[in-house]
Amino acid sequence: EAGVTQFPSHSVIEKGQTVTLRCDPISGHDNLYWYRRVMGKEIKFLLHFVKESKQDESGMPNNRFLAERTGGTYSTLKVQPAELEDSGVYFCASSRTYRGATNEKLFFGSGTQLSVL
Amino acid sequence: AQSVTQLDSHVSVSEGTPVLLRCNYSSSYSPSLFWYVQHPNKGLQLLLKYTSAATLVKGINGFEAEFKKSETSFHLTKPSAHMSDAAEYFCVVSDRPNFGNEKLTFGTGTRLTIIP
Repeated sequence: EAGVTQFPSHSVIEKGQTVTLRCDPISGHDNLYWYRRVMGKEIKFLLHFVKESKQDESGMPNNRFLAERTGGTYSTLKVQPAELEDSGVYFCASSRTYRGATNEKLFFGSGTQLSVL
Repeated sequence: AQSVTQLDSHVSVSEGTPVLLRCNYSSSYSPSLFWYVQHPNKGLQLLLKYTSAATLVKGINGFEAEFKKSETSFHLTKPSAHMSDAAEYFCVVSDRPNFGNEKLTFGTGTRLTIIP
């Protein structure tokens, strides 16, 4: 079974530019999550999709971040315009929903390292 | 509100000696607790999880953790370290394991170094 795939693995952009991160979850996983780790700090929740709907976006830092999951398959996370403090590692994770409850086992991708200069 | 404190940012042990990675948690509910590991250039991998069943949880690669409610701890141990255990380890808590939202709260991570 293919794992969670994230692209690109690294991105270096200048402040003010736009960057789009992509996540392909494991096939059949309705739940898709975005997390990020800012340098030296803990990994923090950004948002959760169930299929194409945003279930919880309470962790999104501000309106420069836009996440989409059209068709309920892959997801994109766009940062526009990027600021220096957006630098960090962005992780995507997916899980199944089993009998109406979320399976606790999340499968994580290897992350996208974003550097804003 | 839930939180996790990993007491050591770096731990170094010699190959073949025991590993202890410490974690304390705070949770308003009966928590689910996890340990994840990240090897270089790899995704986060679940090592083990506690979900209110047995307090001693066995995971992959010989790791185990004991849930101690009185101490609000969930320390990760392994009897004998292997070179392949070198990685970063995260203690994680979830307040709502089956409410349809895996909103995990991560600790800051412990980097484990194995000395040959």
